[in-house]
Order: sequence, then structure tokens, then C-alpha cells
Amino acid sequence: KAGVTQTPRYLIKTRGQQVTLSCSPISGHRSVSWYQQTPGQGLQFLFEYFSETQRNKGNFPGRFSGRQFSNSRSEMNVSTLELGDSALYLCASRRLAGGREAQYFGPGTRLLVL
Amino acid sequence: ELKVEQNPLFLSMQEGKNYTIYCNYSTTSDRLYWYRQDPGKSLESLFVLLSNGAVKQEGRLMASLDTKARLSTLHITAAVHDLSATYFCAGAFGNEKLTFGTGTRLTIIP
Repeated sequence: KAGVTQTPRYLIKTRGQQVTLSCSPISGHRSVSWYQQTPGQGLQFLFEYFSETQRNKGNFPGRFSGRQFSNSRSEMNVSTLELGDSALYLCASRRLAGGREAQYFGPGTRLLVL
Repeated sequence: ELKVEQNPLFLSMQEGKNYTIYCNYSTTSDRLYWYRQDPGKSLESLFVLLSNGAVKQEGRLMASLDTKARLSTLHITAAVHDLSATYFCAGAFGNEKLTFGTGTRLTIIP
């Protein structure tokens, strides 16, 4: 069974640009969550989607947005990039929302903002 | 709001020794997870603990949960080099938002 896939794996952008990251969950998984990992702040929750609806949102500015498609694939968008947005962005999927199983993480997209 | 604290932040131990990583959380958490992360890699799920007194073991790693003390532990038995990694605990309550601890960077010295 294929795992969670994320594209692109690496990205370099400049301040002010915008970026879109993509996540394909494990087949059959309908819940997709996004996390940001930085050395200073650690792992922080961005948002979670289930059946194309955002169910939870973390404490990030409105520049961070996401969506989920009918095939459960998800994208997140960051507009007007800032230097502090440089991070590893991780996507995680789970079969059902509220299920008592682990979230399975993808390899991440490493974003560098110059 | 759920807060999760891990200690120690750094742990250097010799092969063959035993040690424990501690994870305290601030409010009710109905699920407690342990993940492993190797440098430059993603997170690998190790354990999911759901109820008070839950104990799970996989190889040299054993995790337990005490919901009354709001404490989970990850015990390493007879450490070997390939256990070197960063270990995270994470709690969740009522939704899919995982709140992670700061992580424990474990280095096993031959």
C-alpha cells in the first residue's frame, strides 16, 4: 500500500511570492492534516480536512490556506511568503476523522524562503 | 488548550543501557501518540495509546499511559545504535489536531 505522498519535495521561493503544496493521502484515507515543522517552534498544526471540509484550524495567519478535493487529495497555499515561513511542511492522513488510529505522515515539503 | 511537555530534550546513552523519555500533558487528552523522526526524514508512527494503563511494546521500545497523572513514558531497553533518532509524543482531544511535544533527541553511543 502506497504511503502519503507530497509534492514538491523541495522548494525555494522569494519573499512576497506564493506557493502551493500538494498532498496525496493513503488510498482510502479521508482525513488530511497539515503541520509545519521549524527548529524554533517545533511541530505545529495548520489545519485538517475531512470530506472536502476544513474541520480544524491552527493558529496561523490567513496567508495559510488549504483545500481538499473529492478524491481526498489536499493542497495548501501560502501567500505573500515571509522568511519565517521557511520550514518543513508535513501532511498526514488518517482513514476516518475521529478514528483511534495514528496519523500517517508524508515525507514533507521543505520550503526555503529567501 | 492542550500543552505537551517532553523531557529530556537531549539524551545521550550507551548501547545496552535502559532509559525512559517522559511526556506530560496539561489537560485531558483522549489519545497519546509516539512518533520517531530520523534526521531529514518524516515522522514514523510508533504507538497509539488510548486508555489509562495502556502499555504497548515493539522490540526494545515500550510505551505506557497514565491518564490520571497525565503522563506517558517511552522506555528503551538495552539500547542499540539504530534507535538513535528524535522521538515525539503528541496528544489529541476530540479532534484531529495533534499537539506535539518538543521532541527528545536520542543518541546511542557504541
